[in-house]
Amino acid sequence: EDQVTQSPEALRLQEGESSSLNCSYTVSGLRGLFWYRQDPGKGPEFLFTLYSAGEEKEKERLKATLTKKESFLHITAPKPEDSATYLCAVQAPVGNTGKLIFGQGTTLQVKP
Amino acid sequence: EAQVTQNPRYLITVTGKKLTVTCSQNMNHEYMSWYRQDPGLGLRQIYYSMNVEVTDKGDVPEGYKVSRKEKRNFPLILESPSPNQTSLYFCASSLGDRGYEQYFGPGTRLTVT
Repeated sequence: EDQVTQSPEALRLQEGESSSLNCSYTVSGLRGLFWYRQDPGKGPEFLFTLYSAGEEKEKERLKATLTKKESFLHITAPKPEDSATYLCAVQAPVGNTGKLIFGQGTTLQVKP
Repeated sequence: EAQVTQNPRYLITVTGKKLTVTCSQNMNHEYMSWYRQDPGLGLRQIYYSMNVEVTDKGDVPEGYKVSRKEKRNFPLILESPSPNQTSLYFCASSLGDRGYEQYFGPGTRLTVT
């Protein structure tokens, strides 16, 4: 069964304290792994797409990496405005639903 | 501005009273989808559409209907809402169904009493 597991569930950091969020996945034939940011009561905001092992993408203080079994979202020197829930999703090839299979998310709190 | 819009943003209704949540995108995307988000269950797909007049069920379609008469619009219809459909609903769109990022609307918080 296709599955996405994110850890930790919650993470508290001090401003400037770098860390990583983990997304482990099992899927038969990955079409893409997606990272989203979600603020409370709002829709997920697209951050990155990764397609193959070894691929990396960066945006400001965020860097996403991908292996054959997991993806990491590295946050370097976070600021309070980085506080949000970060969602990982995979798209599997089974059928043509285009469905994204989401993890439960990691809620990040960055304290000043 | 490229965006997905949903209306209404908040809705409180009673059991059995038909309602429609509208979704519109201005990016000329072919693929559109509806998700619901519930605590502990995450985001789950309700219905999706590959193009005009082409729709199909996702993981949790029971109690919902959709239509895709125009490329930009993909309304979600609850013919007879029940309390277990109380949830946060998101519409999403993308260029296609394979390997493209999906862009989400702002969400519709529905409460059925």
